[in-house]
Amino acid sequence: EDKVVQSPLSLVVHEGDTVTLNCSYEVTNFRSLLWYKQEKKAPTFLFMLTSSGIEKKSGRLSSILDKKELFSILNITATQTGDSAVYLCAVELGNDMRFGAGTRLTVKP
Amino acid sequence: NAGVMQNPRHLVRRRGQEARLRCSPMKGHSHVYWYRQLPEEGLKFMVYLQKENIIDESGMPKERFSAEFPKEGPSILRIQQVVRGDSAAYFCASSTLSGQGDYNEQFFGPGTRLTVL
Repeated sequence: EDKVVQSPLSLVVHEGDTVTLNCSYEVTNFRSLLWYKQEKKAPTFLFMLTSSGIEKKSGRLSSILDKKELFSILNITATQTGDSAVYLCAVELGNDMRFGAGTRLTVKP
Repeated sequence: NAGVMQNPRHLVRRRGQEARLRCSPMKGHSHVYWYRQLPEEGLKFMVYLQKENIIDESGMPKERFSAEFPKEGPSILRIQQVVRGDSAAYFCASSTLSGQGDYNEQFFGPGTRLTVL
């Protein structure tokens, strides 16, 4: 059975902290791994990762994929209150997609 | 507790036919969201429903697309007179407003992949 597991399920930090969110997967026919930031309505696309070891960066966010150990991490440096959201990891496999349960990040002032 | 269920998982239609996609939310969830995913793109919001109410349909095309979430039974996304451009994966998510902050946690179903021939 294909599965995507995110950890931790929730995290509370203070502004300025650095956080690392984890996403591990066990799937057949892996194509890519995607990270989303989910706030009030629709998830906002952050990154798509297909190759191992290549870091993708966007401002204070970065992500990397390890296809040997079957996981990805999402790093957020110098966190701000606006980073508070649920961060979703999803894995594209063949013609399908599997979502993790999300990590709820709360950044306190 | 079963997760969000969608069926069918794969649906093939010919141009001009109707497609009906079903979504059963998680037990206890009264809010349903429909998204569409195109290749190489993220999820595109379509519609947000509560039982017997459409809360936000700002992402739904004005024609041929409709959604409902009746008091009993699953939520239905209906596409009439399908065209090739409707081919995509359609995801449903459900949530219950937790009251914690301004955002709610959505749990996603496995999706329905629609192919229009």
